[in-house]
Amino acid sequence: DAGITQSPRHKVTETGTPVTLRCHQTENHRYMYWYRQDPGHGLRLIHYSYGVKDTDKGEVSDGYSVSRSKTEDFLLTLESATSSQTSVYFCAISEDWDSGGYTFGSGTRLTVV
Amino acid sequence: AQKVTQAQTEISVVEKEDVTLDCVYETRDTTYYLFWYKQPPSGELVFLIRRNSFDEQNEISGRYSWNFQKSTSSFNFTITASQVVDSAVYFCALSPLTSGTYKYIFGTGTRLKVLA
Repeated sequence: DAGITQSPRHKVTETGTPVTLRCHQTENHRYMYWYRQDPGHGLRLIHYSYGVKDTDKGEVSDGYSVSRSKTEDFLLTLESATSSQTSVYFCAISEDWDSGGYTFGSGTRLTVV
Repeated sequence: AQKVTQAQTEISVVEKEDVTLDCVYETRDTTYYLFWYKQPPSGELVFLIRRNSFDEQNEISGRYSWNFQKSTSSFNFTITASQVVDSAVYFCALSPLTSGTYKYIFGTGTRLKVLA
């Protein structure tokens, strides 16, 4: 059991369409995060959650929204996809600050054409 | 400002050479964690080490070693006797704890190529 799974793994979508990426965990961790990875930028935080229905923005949140209705699921929605949102998206979970570090999902490669 | 700088974009070494990946960080927090992650060509992010700001002891794990120096705000990573399987992108990250949310600030990564 991977503990954290992302779906889909790959997606191609058209500009202007809404897209939802899903992160599912089986670890019952409190904290969940969405990052995007782009060449030359490393990983940048989009949104994070510190509990059910408790979310907040990261440094690159424009054009994205999130929801967390259950502990195990954290959804990332691109409201109207743009080519600049072509990226690899990683979900991460952590129990607390002393838990050792994030566990990352395998990533979702999103291409907006 | 919180920032992590990995000035080395790409490093190439020949197998069995030692290599050091540099990481310099900036933070005003007195309590923070530093991390290294490995991203092999398959794309997943693999946790390597965590170090808290109160522990400046160097650490060695097999061929890997880490040198944490608060005086220079650096957390460098050395691979001894590199192997082809070490080829990956390596990320350094900072997590200031005073924010209470354990957000990471990542460096831009260093791509290591180990040639056979």
